[in-house]
Amino acid sequence: LAKTTQPISMDSYEGQEVNITCSHNNIATNDYITWYQQFPSQGPRFIIQGYKTKVTNEVASLFIPADRKSSTLSLPRVSLSDTAVYYCLAGGSGTYKYIFGTGTRLKVLA
Amino acid sequence: SAVISQKPSRDICQRGTSLTIQCQVDSQVTMMFWYRQQPGQSLTLIATANQGSEATYESGFVIDKFPISRPNLTFSTLTVSNMSPEDSSIYLCSVGAPPMNTEAFFGQGTRLTVV
Repeated sequence: LAKTTQPISMDSYEGQEVNITCSHNNIATNDYITWYQQFPSQGPRFIIQGYKTKVTNEVASLFIPADRKSSTLSLPRVSLSDTAVYYCLAGGSGTYKYIFGTGTRLKVLA
Repeated sequence: SAVISQKPSRDICQRGTSLTIQCQVDSQVTMMFWYRQQPGQSLTLIATANQGSEATYESGFVIDKFPISRPNLTFSTLTVSNMSPEDSSIYLCSVGAPPMNTEAFFGQGTRLTVV
């Protein structure tokens, strides 16, 4: 399981696009990149997962360059309710076992 | 997806006692995991609990302190034994639900305070 590194915190304003970058230099060939969101007093909630290039769903986009040593979570037009901690995880699809890094504490301001 | 229910949601316990946390899943899952999240910190994996085998513990966690049961494919328990204030944390259950899902699902957690 690869270790990931993310910024500790970020501030943004409502309506802006937020990009959170994660470094995973030692990612293994079969590792996927998965992002989770966690609100206070709740368990982490799955946002998006990808292996390479770009993945988009109804809440976010995930950009993974060809070398896969980093990834960027993009949240379009954030709102106050997006204030949370965001975790980037690298692990083999199907293992479901994660080593959590520090996460990025995103604060969205009005 | 998998829906996970943890009990209790929170508890306040006296030091030296033990607490058993239950994790119930609404579908059969092969893999279950227990995590600890200390106040203001990230999650730390305690152990992997697969049905039919003994739990596998991560470095720094031992069976005597955190015994785990996995009697069937929908249920697991984690016991926090001989508690001290340092055990005050949120304990979370997580499951993998193949083949339809490649991501893990997490319960809401059990907030434990040891006094």
